[in-house]
Amino acid sequence: DTAVSQTPKYLVTQMGNDKSIKCEQNLGHDTMYWYKQDSKKFLKIMFSYNNKELIINETVPNRFSPKSPDKAHLNLHINSLELGDSAVYFCASSQDRVPYNEQFFGPGTRLTVL
Amino acid sequence: GESVGLHLPTLSVQEGDNSIINCAYSNSASDYFIWYKQESGKGPQFIIDIRSNMDKRQGQRVTVLLNKTVKHLSLQIAATQPGDSAVYFCAETLVNSGYSTLTFGKGTMLLVSP
Repeated sequence: DTAVSQTPKYLVTQMGNDKSIKCEQNLGHDTMYWYKQDSKKFLKIMFSYNNKELIINETVPNRFSPKSPDKAHLNLHINSLELGDSAVYFCASSQDRVPYNEQFFGPGTRLTVL
Repeated sequence: GESVGLHLPTLSVQEGDNSIINCAYSNSASDYFIWYKQESGKGPQFIIDIRSNMDKRQGQRVTVLLNKTVKHLSLQIAATQPGDSAVYFCAETLVNSGYSTLTFGKGTMLLVSP
C-alpha cells in the first residue's frame, strides 16, 4: 500500500548513458513533482506536473525530460549522464497544485554516475 | 547512511530533552511554511505547517514558531526520542503564486542519544 513509489532505488551508470527513473502514486493526486537532493542534502524542485501538464520547470538542463503518461505516473528520463547528476532524486505528489496541500514524497532513487 | 563530511548543522540531545531546531528563510513574501523530517534512506515527511498570519502552532510533541520580522522559524520537539533522529528541513512557499513550489532550507541533523 505504498503511497509514492520509485524505481529503481539505486542506479549506478557510466557517464554518457541515458537512464530513466519511474514514479507512481496511488493516492489519487493530480500533481506530481521531481526533486533533486545533492550530497549536502540540499533539496531542490526540478519539475511539477498537474494533470499530466508541465506547470513548473526550474532551471534544469534539457538533458532531463519528465514524462507523465497519466496522472498517477511521472517518469524522469536523463540523457547523456554527467558526474554532476549524481544525487538522490525524489518524486512527490499532492492533491491539486495548492501549496496548502501536503506533498507526499517517495523513498528516493540514488543515482551514481561513474 | 550519511556521507562523511556532510557538514550539516547538527544538534545532539539526550533522550527526554526538548529540542529546538532553527531555520532562517529567504523570502520575506513567503506566507506558508512547513517542517519536514527526513530519516536516513527515506524521503521527507511532513511534520507541521504554519501560515504567516500565525506566530505559533502546536502539534503532538511539536511546536512551530514563526518570527516574520527576522524571517525565522523554529521547530520545538518535546521529550525527544531516539526515533526523532533525522534531518529536519524547513520549507517556504508563496501561496498566491498558485503553485506548490517549496523552497527548502539547508537542513539540520538531530541526533538523539538514549
